[in-house]
Amino acid sequence: GAGVSQTPSNKVTEKGKYVELRCDPISGHTALYWYRQSLGQGPEFLIYFQGTGAADDSGLPNDRFFAVRPEGSVSTLKIQRTERGDSAVYLCASSSSGWGNSDTQYFGPGTRLTVL
Amino acid sequence: AQKVTQAQTEISVVEKEDVTLDCVYETRDTTYYLFWYKQPPSGELVFLIRRNSFDEQNEISGRYSWNFQKSTSSFNFTITASQVVDSAVYFCALSDPISNFGNEKLTFGTGTRLTIIP
Repeated sequence: GAGVSQTPSNKVTEKGKYVELRCDPISGHTALYWYRQSLGQGPEFLIYFQGTGAADDSGLPNDRFFAVRPEGSVSTLKIQRTERGDSAVYLCASSSSGWGNSDTQYFGPGTRLTVL
Repeated sequence: AQKVTQAQTEISVVEKEDVTLDCVYETRDTTYYLFWYKQPPSGELVFLIRRNSFDEQNEISGRYSWNFQKSTSSFNFTITASQVVDSAVYFCALSDPISNFGNEKLTFGTGTRLTIIP
């Protein structure tokens, strides 16, 4: 079946601009995660959705970052007033876990964001 | 706080050699999960294994094997008879429970870049 998809694959923007990154999880997966991977580092957690709600947003670096998942499927990560330090690969993952269970996270190919 | 250490930044071996990637973790949780992911040059993280903290039996899957030792907080990964296609960055990860939910976010190590020389 189809895996996690992310669009765009690459995004180049100028400092101060607004960007949106999209994630389409595996069909039926209720849990969705966003991670950020800087060059030479492992992915770092940003936010977790269970269904439509953001259950844990403790990894968002500041209030310029925001994410939504209005219908419990596709999610959009939004970054306002981008800064050069936001340049990284943004990874999305989904899992089939429901309440009270845990399951393996499957990752998408990522969006490489470059802020000039 | 959760922490995963992959002390080997880069490893190069000649094809057909065996290679072991080290992973040491820190956690206060009594129940947790450990993972290994592979990140080939294409960039997508590929799931390899998930291991429950209560199951310390070693696992073998083809040329891959994993050694989980709770006493030393290690979860090492061995590739036997390495192949060029094994060249990638490998990440070890530890589950970090999300309060009041059954799911976990993952804490990753910094990865080990493995190069298999033909």
